[in-house]
Amino acid sequence: QKEVEQNSGPLSVPEGAIASLNCTYSDRGSQSFFWYRQYSGKSPELIMFIYSNGDKEDGRFTAQLNKASQYVSLLIRDSQPSDSATYLCAVDGDTDKLIFGTGTRLQVFP
Amino acid sequence: DTGVSQDPRHKITKRGQNVTFRCDPISEHNRLYWYRQTLGQGPEFLTYFQNEAQLEKSRLLSDRFSAERPKGSFSTLEIQRTEQGDSAMYLCASSSAEGQPQHFGDGTRLSIL
Repeated sequence: QKEVEQNSGPLSVPEGAIASLNCTYSDRGSQSFFWYRQYSGKSPELIMFIYSNGDKEDGRFTAQLNKASQYVSLLIRDSQPSDSATYLCAVDGDTDKLIFGTGTRLQVFP
Repeated sequence: DTGVSQDPRHKITKRGQNVTFRCDPISEHNRLYWYRQTLGQGPEFLTYFQNEAQLEKSRLLSDRFSAERPKGSFSTLEIQRTEQGDSAMYLCASSSAEGQPQHFGDGTRLSIL
């Protein structure tokens, strides 16, 4: 059973700080890694994807991948109250489906 | 660029009734996926299509569930003889190719009375 693990949180950070969200996965064969943001009652919104070891930056977001440790993280710089949401980590399964973690709830307080 | 469209947004029905949901993917995407999400959980994979071919079905998809994508464009997901446990958000996503990012629609929230 392929698994994706996330701390459910909530992770509380002050406005302007860096939020660090972490995810581990069980399948060493996984090749594609995604972060989705989900506001309460809404559908998941893709914010980052990464395929290779190392860092990938897009605006205030940085995705980090370490395949040897089976670990992927998302950093959000200059966190804003509008970033408050649940962040879902997703990993490709043995076919084209995605396997999701249960999500980490982020709260950014003013 | 039009995103993934799902209809209806909300469906309330009585236990035992049949329901059908529709998904229109992003126009140039040939892969279409269905997921189900319950409160406090991440989305769970149900099935996916490449063009009109259904390539995989999850064990979660009992015989009461059927999905089609007859012309390789829109897809329908039908649930027959609905049960209380079918209450969830049903999410559709599409992508341009294997391994590429999947983009989700707004979902259909199903409530079983």
